[in-house]
Amino acid sequence: EAQVTQNPRYLITVTGKKLTVTCSQNMNHEYMSWYRQDPGLGLRQIYYSMNVEVTDKGDVPEGYKVSRKEKRNFPLILESPSPNQTSLYFCASSLSGTGTWEQYFGPGTRLTVT
Amino acid sequence: KQEVTQIPAALSVPEGENLVLNCSFTDSAIYNLQWFRQDPGKGLTSLLLIQSSQREQTSGRLNASLDKSSGRSTLYIAASQPGDSATYLCAVRRGPHSGAGSYQLTFGKGTKLSVIP
Repeated sequence: EAQVTQNPRYLITVTGKKLTVTCSQNMNHEYMSWYRQDPGLGLRQIYYSMNVEVTDKGDVPEGYKVSRKEKRNFPLILESPSPNQTSLYFCASSLSGTGTWEQYFGPGTRLTVT
Repeated sequence: KQEVTQIPAALSVPEGENLVLNCSFTDSAIYNLQWFRQDPGKGLTSLLLIQSSQREQTSGRLNASLDKSSGRSTLYIAASQPGDSATYLCAVRRGPHSGAGSYQLTFGKGTKLSVIP
Protein backbone atom coordinates (compact mmCIF):
# COMPACT_ATOMS: atom_id res chain seq x y z
CA GLU A 1 0.00 0.00 0.00
CA ALA A 2 1.29 3.44 -0.98
CA GLN A 3 1.75 5.46 2.17
CA VAL A 4 3.68 7.89 4.31
CA THR A 5 4.54 6.57 7.76
CA GLN A 6 5.65 8.48 10.84
CA ASN A 7 7.01 7.31 14.16
CA PRO A 8 6.30 7.73 16.95
CA ARG A 9 2.63 8.68 16.74
CA TYR A 10 2.61 10.12 20.24
CA LEU A 11 5.54 11.49 22.23
CA ILE A 12 5.81 13.22 25.58
CA THR A 13 9.23 14.57 26.43
CA VAL A 14 10.97 17.14 28.60
CA THR A 15 12.57 20.42 27.65
CA GLY A 16 16.04 20.02 26.18
CA LYS A 17 15.98 16.28 25.49
CA LYS A 18 16.89 15.69 21.85
CA LEU A 19 14.39 13.75 19.80
CA THR A 20 13.87 12.53 16.26
CA VAL A 21 10.59 11.91 14.48
CA THR A 22 11.01 9.55 11.55
CA CYS A 23 9.19 9.79 8.24
CA SER A 24 9.26 7.29 5.41
CA GLN A 25 7.39 7.01 2.09
CA ASN A 26 7.20 4.07 -0.30
CA MET A 27 6.05 5.95 -3.41
CA ASN A 28 9.48 6.96 -4.75
CA HIS A 29 8.59 10.63 -4.29
CA GLU A 30 11.31 13.23 -4.68
CA TYR A 31 9.58 15.99 -2.68
CA MET A 32 9.09 15.62 1.06
CA SER A 33 8.15 18.14 3.72
CA TRP A 34 7.31 18.65 7.37
CA TYR A 35 4.44 20.70 8.79
CA ARG A 36 3.19 21.59 12.20
CA GLN A 37 -0.47 22.21 12.96
CA ASP A 38 -1.58 24.43 15.80
CA PRO A 39 -5.10 25.61 16.76
CA GLY A 40 -5.88 28.95 15.16
CA LEU A 41 -2.67 28.94 13.10
CA GLY A 42 -3.38 26.11 10.70
CA LEU A 43 -0.71 24.09 8.94
CA ARG A 44 2.71 25.70 8.58
CA GLN A 45 5.65 24.28 6.71
CA ILE A 46 8.83 23.67 8.71
CA TYR A 47 11.27 22.27 6.14
CA TYR A 48 11.08 20.71 2.74
CA SER A 49 13.33 18.64 0.49
CA MET A 50 13.28 18.61 -3.30
CA ASN A 51 15.45 15.48 -3.46
CA VAL A 52 18.25 13.59 -1.73
CA GLU A 53 20.72 15.95 -0.04
CA VAL A 54 18.59 18.99 -0.99
CA THR A 55 16.70 20.63 1.87
CA ASP A 56 15.39 24.13 2.49
CA LYS A 57 13.60 26.13 5.15
CA GLY A 58 9.87 26.57 5.17
CA ASP A 59 7.96 29.22 7.10
CA VAL A 60 8.83 28.13 10.67
CA PRO A 61 12.24 26.37 10.68
CA GLU A 62 13.60 27.71 13.98
CA GLY A 63 14.43 24.95 16.47
CA TYR A 64 14.26 22.14 13.90
CA LYS A 65 16.72 20.25 11.72
CA VAL A 66 16.19 17.79 8.90
CA SER A 67 18.30 15.51 6.75
CA ARG A 68 17.65 13.67 3.49
CA LYS A 69 20.26 10.98 3.02
CA GLU A 70 17.90 8.56 1.28
CA LYS A 71 15.00 9.24 -1.02
CA ARG A 72 12.43 7.45 1.13
CA ASN A 73 13.34 8.94 4.54
CA PHE A 74 13.09 12.48 5.88
CA PRO A 75 13.58 12.63 9.67
CA LEU A 76 12.74 15.71 11.74
CA ILE A 77 15.17 16.47 14.55
CA LEU A 78 14.52 18.66 17.58
CA GLU A 79 17.93 19.15 19.19
CA SER A 80 16.66 20.98 22.27
CA PRO A 81 12.85 20.86 22.38
CA SER A 82 10.95 23.62 24.13
CA PRO A 83 7.29 23.80 25.26
CA ASN A 84 6.40 26.05 22.29
CA GLN A 85 7.19 23.10 20.02
CA THR A 86 4.25 21.18 21.48
CA SER A 87 2.18 20.54 18.37
CA LEU A 88 0.79 18.05 15.88
CA TYR A 89 3.42 17.27 13.23
CA PHE A 90 2.82 15.94 9.74
CA CYS A 91 5.20 14.58 7.17
CA ALA A 92 4.16 14.69 3.52
CA SER A 93 5.47 13.71 0.11
CA SER A 94 4.71 14.50 -3.52
CA LEU A 95 5.73 13.18 -6.92
CA SER A 96 7.49 16.20 -8.41
CA GLY A 97 9.13 16.98 -11.74
CA THR A 98 6.62 16.11 -14.44
CA GLY A 99 4.34 14.45 -11.88
CA THR A 100 1.07 15.81 -10.57
CA TRP A 101 2.52 17.22 -7.35
CA GLU A 102 -0.39 15.70 -5.46
CA GLN A 103 0.51 15.77 -1.76
CA TYR A 104 0.16 12.73 0.50
CA PHE A 105 0.30 13.05 4.28
CA GLY A 106 1.41 10.79 7.09
CA PRO A 107 -0.89 10.09 10.06
CA GLY A 108 0.72 12.71 12.30
CA THR A 109 2.85 12.78 15.45
CA ARG A 110 1.46 14.46 18.52
CA LEU A 111 4.35 15.92 20.49
CA THR A 112 4.11 17.32 24.01
CA VAL A 113 7.14 19.06 25.53
CA THR A 114 6.91 19.70 29.27
CA LYS B 1 3.33 35.98 -0.02
CA GLN B 2 0.44 33.67 -0.83
CA GLU B 3 -2.52 33.85 1.54
CA VAL B 4 -5.37 31.35 1.50
CA THR B 5 -8.71 32.12 3.12
CA GLN B 6 -11.58 29.72 3.71
CA ILE B 7 -15.06 30.94 4.48
CA PRO B 8 -17.01 30.04 6.53
CA ALA B 9 -14.82 28.77 9.36
CA ALA B 10 -17.62 26.47 10.48
CA LEU B 11 -20.82 25.23 8.90
CA SER B 12 -23.67 23.12 10.21
CA VAL B 13 -26.23 21.63 7.81
CA PRO B 14 -28.99 19.01 8.01
CA GLU B 15 -28.37 15.67 6.34
CA GLY B 16 -29.19 15.57 2.65
CA GLU B 17 -28.40 19.19 1.85
CA ASN B 18 -26.10 20.24 -0.94
CA LEU B 19 -23.40 22.62 0.22
CA VAL B 20 -20.53 24.76 -1.02
CA LEU B 21 -17.24 25.47 0.72
CA ASN B 22 -15.21 28.44 -0.44
CA CYS B 23 -11.50 29.03 -0.80
CA SER B 24 -9.78 32.20 -2.01
CA PHE B 25 -6.10 32.90 -2.63
CA THR B 26 -4.19 36.13 -3.24
CA ASP B 27 -1.58 35.09 -5.83
CA SER B 28 -3.02 33.59 -9.00
CA ALA B 29 0.36 32.20 -10.15
CA ILE B 30 -0.39 28.75 -8.81
CA TYR B 31 0.64 25.31 -10.03
CA ASN B 32 -2.34 23.45 -8.60
CA LEU B 33 -4.94 23.48 -5.84
CA GLN B 34 -5.79 20.57 -3.60
CA TRP B 35 -8.73 19.93 -1.27
CA PHE B 36 -8.19 17.77 1.81
CA ARG B 37 -10.37 16.31 4.52
CA GLN B 38 -9.18 16.05 8.13
CA ASP B 39 -10.97 14.16 10.88
CA PRO B 40 -10.26 15.29 14.48
CA GLY B 41 -6.70 14.46 15.53
CA LYS B 42 -6.06 12.60 12.29
CA GLY B 43 -4.03 13.09 9.16
CA LEU B 44 -5.10 14.78 5.95
CA THR B 45 -6.79 12.81 3.20
CA SER B 46 -6.59 14.15 -0.34
CA LEU B 47 -10.03 14.64 -1.91
CA LEU B 48 -9.43 16.42 -5.20
CA LEU B 49 -6.49 17.93 -7.06
CA ILE B 50 -7.02 20.58 -9.74
CA GLN B 51 -4.12 21.55 -11.97
CA SER B 52 -3.84 25.24 -12.90
CA SER B 53 -4.96 24.49 -16.48
CA GLN B 54 -8.15 22.76 -15.31
CA ARG B 55 -11.50 24.26 -14.37
CA GLU B 56 -12.95 21.47 -12.26
CA GLN B 57 -12.56 17.95 -10.92
CA THR B 58 -15.18 15.48 -9.73
CA SER B 59 -15.08 12.48 -7.44
CA GLY B 60 -18.35 10.86 -6.44
CA ARG B 61 -20.48 13.42 -4.60
CA LEU B 62 -17.66 15.97 -4.61
CA ASN B 63 -16.97 18.59 -7.26
CA ALA B 64 -14.22 21.18 -7.03
CA SER B 65 -13.94 24.17 -9.32
CA LEU B 66 -11.07 26.56 -9.92
CA ASP B 67 -11.15 30.13 -11.21
CA LYS B 68 -7.47 31.03 -11.21
CA SER B 69 -7.89 34.56 -12.52
CA SER B 70 -10.21 35.54 -9.67
CA GLY B 71 -8.28 33.52 -7.07
CA ARG B 72 -11.21 31.30 -6.08
CA SER B 73 -12.07 27.66 -5.68
CA THR B 74 -15.23 25.99 -4.44
CA LEU B 75 -15.86 22.49 -3.13
CA TYR B 76 -19.41 21.31 -3.76
CA ILE B 77 -20.73 18.40 -1.70
CA ALA B 78 -23.96 16.85 -2.91
CA ALA B 79 -26.49 15.11 -0.66
CA SER B 80 -24.45 15.57 2.51
CA GLN B 81 -24.20 12.71 5.03
CA PRO B 82 -23.20 12.63 8.72
CA GLY B 83 -20.01 10.83 7.65
CA ASP B 84 -19.01 13.98 5.76
CA SER B 85 -18.54 15.77 9.09
CA ALA B 86 -14.89 16.84 9.21
CA THR B 87 -12.64 19.83 8.58
CA TYR B 88 -12.04 20.60 4.91
CA LEU B 89 -8.77 22.26 3.97
CA CYS B 90 -7.83 24.02 0.76
CA ALA B 91 -4.17 24.29 -0.26
CA VAL B 92 -2.53 26.04 -3.21
CA ARG B 93 0.86 25.18 -4.61
CA ARG B 94 3.18 27.85 -5.99
CA GLY B 95 4.50 27.56 -9.49
CA PRO B 96 8.06 26.61 -10.50
CA HIS B 97 9.18 30.19 -11.18
CA SER B 98 8.37 31.63 -7.78
CA GLY B 99 11.97 31.87 -6.60
CA ALA B 100 12.58 30.70 -3.04
CA GLY B 101 9.70 28.51 -2.00
CA SER B 102 8.82 27.35 -5.51
CA TYR B 103 6.26 24.55 -5.32
CA GLN B 104 5.50 25.39 -1.69
CA LEU B 105 2.01 24.42 -0.54
CA THR B 106 0.07 27.06 1.41
CA PHE B 107 -2.98 26.03 3.43
CA GLY B 108 -6.14 27.78 4.46
CA LYS B 109 -7.31 27.33 8.05
CA GLY B 110 -10.17 25.11 7.02
CA THR B 111 -13.95 24.91 7.23
CA LYS B 112 -15.33 22.67 9.98
CA LEU B 113 -18.41 20.93 8.62
CA SER B 114 -21.06 19.30 10.79
CA VAL B 115 -23.83 17.33 9.08
CA ILE B 116 -26.75 16.80 11.45
CA PRO B 117 -28.73 13.54 11.07
